[in-house]
Amino acid sequence: DTAVSQTPKYLVTQMGNDKSIKCEQNLGHDTMYWYKQDSKKFLKIMFSYNNKELIINETVPNRFSPKSPDKAHLNLHINSLELGDSAVYFCASSSLNQPQHFGDGTRLSIL
Amino acid sequence: AQSVTQPDIHITVSEGASLELRCNYSYGATPYLFWYVQSPGQGLQLLLKYFSGDTLVQGIKGFEAEFKRSQSSFNLRKPSVHWSDAAEYFCAVADNNNDMRFGAGTRLTVKP
Repeated sequence: DTAVSQTPKYLVTQMGNDKSIKCEQNLGHDTMYWYKQDSKKFLKIMFSYNNKELIINETVPNRFSPKSPDKAHLNLHINSLELGDSAVYFCASSSLNQPQHFGDGTRLSIL
Repeated sequence: AQSVTQPDIHITVSEGASLELRCNYSYGATPYLFWYVQSPGQGLQLLLKYFSGDTLVQGIKGFEAEFKRSQSSFNLRKPSVHWSDAAEYFCAVADNNNDMRFGAGTRLTVKP
């Protein structure tokens, strides 16, 4: 009964490729998020969606495109992957003014 | 925009000793404050939260934190640390739109 699930858990690919990470939550939350955690463990918000509408869009290259087909899913598509994209990407969800629940992360490695 | 500072990058304590991890926030209004823990290779688990009311909040695993508005702090404490507490700890502050910002984290090492 995983609350926030991300797939894949690991993703190894070559520079220049396009890849997607999927996220699903079964908590009935209205808002979903994507975070990037770099090698120094720093967590940075990338996007948030509320009921399929983009709410937060930090300074993220436009190679990153979130897609929310419904409020239970927020996928992250990345075009033309670069070495600097190597990181752990976390999906999270929440209701308004409630703590965010995190997935287990997707470790992306660019060769 | 809100922000969080965790002054200690790495802390080492002996098993059984007390622990305090520092967190200072910056936000113009009443903040929503959180502590999360991340074990190696894992996601983030919520330890405790402060929204309003009693400034001393109790969390899971024997942790507590105290909100001090005058010091803009939300320090995490535990009276007796266990070896399984070794992990990365993140303090976070959110506004009323749930836009949450994390501190840089404090890595806790527990000596036997």
